[in-house]
Amino acid sequence: RKEVEQDPGPFNVPEGATVAFNCTYSNSASQSFFWYRQDCRKEPKLLMSVYSSGNEDGRFTAQLNRASQYISLLIRDSKLSDSATYLCVVNPKPNTDKLIFGTGTRLQVFP
Amino acid sequence: DAGITQSPRHKVTETGTPVTLRCHQTENHRYMYWYRQDPGHGLRLIHYSYGVKDTDKGEVSDGYSVSRSKTEDFLLTLESATSSQTSVYFCAISESNLNQPQHFGDGTRLSIL
Repeated sequence: RKEVEQDPGPFNVPEGATVAFNCTYSNSASQSFFWYRQDCRKEPKLLMSVYSSGNEDGRFTAQLNRASQYISLLIRDSKLSDSATYLCVVNPKPNTDKLIFGTGTRLQVFP
Repeated sequence: DAGITQSPRHKVTETGTPVTLRCHQTENHRYMYWYRQDPGHGLRLIHYSYGVKDTDKGEVSDGYSVSRSKTEDFLLTLESATSSQTSVYFCAISESNLNQPQHFGDGTRLSIL
């Protein structure tokens, strides 16, 4: 089993739609979680950190479910500019230098 | 945006030649990382550094070496490039290893013919 797994998509949604991505992780001791966004031929950029209590940033909501070992990203009122690949990232151990990156979920928002 | 500069941005070279990629940061962050990104694999860690002259291997370190003689610079060297090292290389930095995210440079597209 991969350490971090994501549905590769693509998710094709119309503008204004709500879309959700899940990401599962294998190490129950994982400590921190992040969502990154990567545009085509660009570098990954931090979208948001994921906290145990869940967190929201505008149209984006991230949640953590430790019991089932997954994190989710919800995007409301999708914009054309949300089209990108979304990477799930997990820190598998406390005080480790290493992050584990999922292969990403591609989102395409159409008019 | 984090002050991270990678050079060169693009390079085409031949099998067997040495190649050095440079990552320069202006954030004075302690941790620096080199990743490669290939279709179907996501980002894979090559080497990382936790301080000047302190480096360690990642999951795909074979064929690569690194050096960090100053806080701001982290060099990745392919001693004798092979076609399997054709990839996009990203440098990243982080302030600490305590649940901190990493921030990435623009990447280097490397083609080995």
